[in-house]
Amino acid sequence: DTGVSQNPRHKITKRGQNVTFRCDPISEHNRLYWYRQTLGQGPEFLTYFQNEAQLEKSRLLSDRFSAERPKGSFSTLEIQRTEQGDSAMYLCASSSTAGTGTYTEAFFGQGTRLTVV
Amino acid sequence: AQSVSQHNHHVILSEAASLELGCNYSYGGTVNLFWYVQYPGQHLQLLLKYFSGDPLVKGIKGFEAEFIKSKFSFNLRKPSVQWSDTAEYFCAVNHNYGQNFVFGPGTRLSVLP
Repeated sequence: DTGVSQNPRHKITKRGQNVTFRCDPISEHNRLYWYRQTLGQGPEFLTYFQNEAQLEKSRLLSDRFSAERPKGSFSTLEIQRTEQGDSAMYLCASSSTAGTGTYTEAFFGQGTRLTVV
Repeated sequence: AQSVSQHNHHVILSEAASLELGCNYSYGGTVNLFWYVQYPGQHLQLLLKYFSGDPLVKGIKGFEAEFIKSKFSFNLRKPSVQWSDTAEYFCAVNHNYGQNFVFGPGTRLSVLP
C-alpha cells in the first residue's frame, strides 16, 4: 500500500502522559499536514511542512504540541502532558506539486485515535 | 482567514432521491475546492476537486459539483443516491498558493433503503 500510513491507530493514555504519533506520507509528496478531528466536526488544521520546514502552525497547536519532519520524509506529532481535551482523531495528510506551481489534493491516512483517561 | 460553511448538519434521504449539499467559502482570491467523503470507519477520500476551467466538475460514484464564483459556492450533487452513499461529506478549500486545506464542519448523509 503506497498511501499515507499512520501509527499507532489507537492510543489510550493517562492524563499527564506524553504521546507521540508517526506519519509516513506518500513517498514523493513534499507537503505533509497534521489535522485534528473530533466527533461530528470537520478536520481542524494543526500544522504543515514543506519538506523538513514547518511552514505554518495553527493557534490550536499549544506549546504542549510539537511536530517534526527531520528528513523531509516521515513526521512525528508529540503531545506533552496530555489533557482530556486532547482526545480526538489525529489525521495526517500529504500532497505534492502538480508541476504547475500549485499542489494536488490532500491524501489522508487512517488517523490515530487518542483517548486520554 | 478562510472559512467554509456547510448548510446542513444531517440530511436523510430515501434511495433514488436526488442530493444537493451546500458549501460556501469566505476567501476572496483564487481558490481550489474539494469535496471529501468519509465512510463509517474509513479515512477521508476525495470525491472531486476544482482547480480551474469548467466550473461543473464530475467526480467518482456519480457525484458532481458546481463552482459559482459570484456566490462563493461549491455545491455537491448526485441525481440518485444509494444506501452505500451513507457517509459524512466535507467541503474544503485552499487558496492557490497551496497552503493548508480548510474544511467545513461536514454534512452527515443517511440514505434509507
